[in-house]
Amino acid sequence: DAGVTQSPTHLIKTRGQQVTLRCSPKSGHDTVSWYQQALGQGPQFIFQYYEEEERQRGNFPDRFSGHQYPNYSSELNVNALLLGDSALYLCASSLGTSFVYGYTFGSGTRLTVV
Amino acid sequence: QKEVEQDPGPLSVPEGAIVSLNCTYSNSAFQYFMWYRQYSRKGPELLMYTYSSGNKEDGRFTAQVDKSSKYISLFIRDSQPSDSATYLCAMKAGFQKLVFGTGTRLLVSP
Repeated sequence: DAGVTQSPTHLIKTRGQQVTLRCSPKSGHDTVSWYQQALGQGPQFIFQYYEEEERQRGNFPDRFSGHQYPNYSSELNVNALLLGDSALYLCASSLGTSFVYGYTFGSGTRLTVV
Repeated sequence: QKEVEQDPGPLSVPEGAIVSLNCTYSNSAFQYFMWYRQYSRKGPELLMYTYSSGNKEDGRFTAQVDKSSKYISLFIRDSQPSDSATYLCAMKAGFQKLVFGTGTRLLVSP
């Protein structure tokens, strides 16, 4: 049973560029949440997708956007990259938006903005 | 003030010691309490999950929730070098987002 798969594992981008990160949820899960984890910090909630719609959003600017496809996979897009966007981006999947047995996290995409 | 406070450590203990990790929180609406373990350059892995107050035990791990004090704990008995990782507490209120603590880095020396 595959867990949460994220790609790419690492990438380096230049300030001002745009980036797309991808996530395939655990088999049987239909909800995807994205988190940003800066070095030495806990994950911070970006947004959650369920039924191809953004259901909740954290305190992140509109430069951060997402999408969920009919197969439940998801993308996180970040425009006009800033140095401060350098972080580990985590995708977490779950079944439904309210049920919490804890989310299943992927290993993340480490983004470095130079 | 952060919703969830957690001492970042590092916490260094010898192998076999009992480890106590703690978080405090301010949002009385939190109902679901979790502990995640995160190894370097990996995603968080769920260790324990508790709904509302009380204790829960799973092998060497025990989670405690005291909602009256807004305080949660994770105890690790007979700690092993393989337990060396960052431990994140996380909490959720109903349909709301999962809120994490900063994480406590634990080092267990042989």
